[in-house]
Amino acid sequence: EAEVAQSPRYKITEKSQAVAFWCDPISGHATLYWYRQILGQGPELLVQFQDESVVDDSQLPKDRFSAERLKGVDSTLKIQPAELGDSAMYLCASSADRDSEQYFGPGTRLTVT
Amino acid sequence: RKEVEQDPGPFNVPEGATVAFNCTYSNSASQSFFWYRQDCRKEPKLLMSVYSSGNEDGRFTAQLNRASQYISLLIRDSKLSDSATYLCVVNAQGGSYIPTFGRGTSLIVHP
Repeated sequence: EAEVAQSPRYKITEKSQAVAFWCDPISGHATLYWYRQILGQGPELLVQFQDESVVDDSQLPKDRFSAERLKGVDSTLKIQPAELGDSAMYLCASSADRDSEQYFGPGTRLTVT
Repeated sequence: RKEVEQDPGPFNVPEGATVAFNCTYSNSASQSFFWYRQDCRKEPKLLMSVYSSGNEDGRFTAQLNRASQYISLLIRDSKLSDSATYLCVVNAQGGSYIPTFGRGTSLIVHP
């Protein structure tokens, strides 16, 4: 069964440092999502790609966060500089198209100290 | 008002019980709806899509009420293994099908 891959699974970083997360969606899935989830809350959409184009990044803190999907396949989410409040689970998901069900990767648990 | 609202619970039920969750949404242009299950510290996993006519998958039944703008999930004959958080997702039209998750409803099934 095809899966969404994410790395690293866990990341501990000091505040003000840079951190990057990687996601490889299910092959053939055109839509890719990055979410942030805080314990006890639902996932919050940070950015949505359709192929290599950003569809929505209205909730992405653009002063410190950036995301790219250069070839329309895998994607990277970067935070620079990291802040204490960025500690959360970062989830990547993909779907065949924008109106289809999403499949999630295992997530990256980020701790900022 | 939040776009997608769920009662966080927890719903604490005995094995074999029937339990139902609702999820209300504010955007009348919403087009597609899903239920996900999330275990503690794991990623969400698709439970079922919600179709206009309602749909059933074993012990699980999902319904959509467009007039009142909510979706529901019914679990019959609850098992211990059903203990998890149940998240609803609403995709709104408007050109982009932006998905919005509810905060999730916690279910605890006890012996």
